[in-house]
Amino acid sequence: DGGITQSPKYLFRKEGQNVTLSCEQNLNHDAMYWYRQDPGQGLRLIYYSQIVNDFQKGDIAEGYSVSREKKESFPLTVTSAQKNPTAFYLCASSILTGGVFNEKLFFGSGTQLSVL
Amino acid sequence: AQSVTQLGSHVSVSEGALVLLRCNYSSSVPPYLFWYVQYPNQGLQLLLKYTSAATLVKGINGFEAEFKKSETSFHLTKPSAHMSDAAEYFCAVSGVPVRNDMRFGAGTRLTVKP
Repeated sequence: DGGITQSPKYLFRKEGQNVTLSCEQNLNHDAMYWYRQDPGQGLRLIYYSQIVNDFQKGDIAEGYSVSREKKESFPLTVTSAQKNPTAFYLCASSILTGGVFNEKLFFGSGTQLSVL
Repeated sequence: AQSVTQLGSHVSVSEGALVLLRCNYSSSVPPYLFWYVQYPNQGLQLLLKYTSAATLVKGINGFEAEFKKSETSFHLTKPSAHMSDAAEYFCAVSGVPVRNDMRFGAGTRLTVKP
C-alpha cells in the first residue's frame, strides 16, 4: 500500500534532549511538510521541502531542524531549543504536476511527543 | 499571506440534522480553499476543495461547501448528520500559484448526538 509512515507513534523527550521524528513516503511525491498540532490551534507549518536537499522554514521553525537527503524521507528533529515541544506532529506530502504542486495533501497518522 | 478563521470550536447536532461548519478566509490572491477531516489519533483526509471552478463544491461522505467571494466564506454543510461524521474538521487556504503554503484554521469539533 502506498502512503506516509510516521514513527514512532508516541515519543517522550527528556530535558535538554534532541529527538528525531521519522517520516517516510512511498507515493513518489515531490513535496513534504511538517505540521505541529496543538489543541484549539489547528495545524501550524514547521518546515517544508519541495525537492531533495532543499527545504524552507514555515511559520514556527525555531527549535526544529529537518533534512531531505532522499525524496522519500523527511525527518524532523526537535532540539533542546524548543521549550514547549509537547504536541501532535503531522507529516504530509503532495505531488508536483505541470510545475504546480497538487493541492491535495496526504497525511501520515502522526507522532505524539511529550516531555518527561 | 493567507489565513482562515473557523467560527466555533465545537458544534453539536442531532443525528439527521443539518451540519453547518463555518469558515472565513483572508487572502491577497485568489484563494484555493479546502476542508479536511481528522478522526481521533489519525492524520487529515481531504473532504473537498475549491480551485476557482464551480462555486458549489461537492465532496465525499455527502458534504458540500459554497465559495462566496463577497462574504469571504467557505462554509461546510451536510443535509443530514450521521454518527460517523463525528470528527474534527479543518478549513485550509493556499495561494496561487505557490500551493505549498497551505494554512489551516484552528478546527471545529463536530459531535453527533443520537
